[in-house]
Amino acid sequence: SQTIHQWPATLVQPVGSPLSLECTVEGTSNPNLYWYRQAAGRGLQLLFYSVGIGQISSEVPQNLSASRPQDRQFILSSKKLLLSDSGFYLCAWGRPLHFGNGTRLTVT
Amino acid sequence: AQSVSQHNHHVILSEAASLELGCNYSYGGTVNLFWYVQYPGQHLQLLLKYFSGDPLVKGIKGFEAEFIKSKFSFNLRKPSVQWSDTAEYFCAVNAGNMLTFGGGTRLMVKP
Repeated sequence: SQTIHQWPATLVQPVGSPLSLECTVEGTSNPNLYWYRQAAGRGLQLLFYSVGIGQISSEVPQNLSASRPQDRQFILSSKKLLLSDSGFYLCAWGRPLHFGNGTRLTVT
Repeated sequence: AQSVSQHNHHVILSEAASLELGCNYSYGGTVNLFWYVQYPGQHLQLLLKYFSGDPLVKGIKGFEAEFIKSKFSFNLRKPSVQWSDTAEYFCAVNAGNMLTFGGGTRLMVKP
């Protein structure tokens, strides 16, 4: 069966520090992968999606970036976090979407 | 670009009341439609989906949704809500590789 792993579950980082969130999928090959953010009081916002290794589409301009170094690995990064980057980040794959458990990021 | 609107941001109901959450989208082509639910402290789960066929789809936990193409709507319904239905509900529309979510509706069911 397919599973999706996302870590860490919670993260507290100071402003200006780097970020790396990792997501891996098991039990499937060449999945469509997505990063979503749910900011407080707002709905889900698509940040990035990838249809294959090295293929990244960005939906919202921001100081975040994504990479897909392997078929089932999707990484969300930032070189310098902003306060406004705080939120709940969800990795997802497939259609319909299957979500990871999410990472709650607090930038202080 | 496609967009999804959920007009009710907060809904408060008593147990046994009927529920209808609105969802409207803007996209002229073929779409797949979804409702996701996020219970307090849990991750998002798929509630139901529409790809084709009967526009009235049944989901888990007694939920159903009706796709009305002429109205670009996919409203979620439940005849009798329970306290355990307290959650946030998201409508989503998929066209091509894009999945666009509505802003969510926070439902609180009072016991």
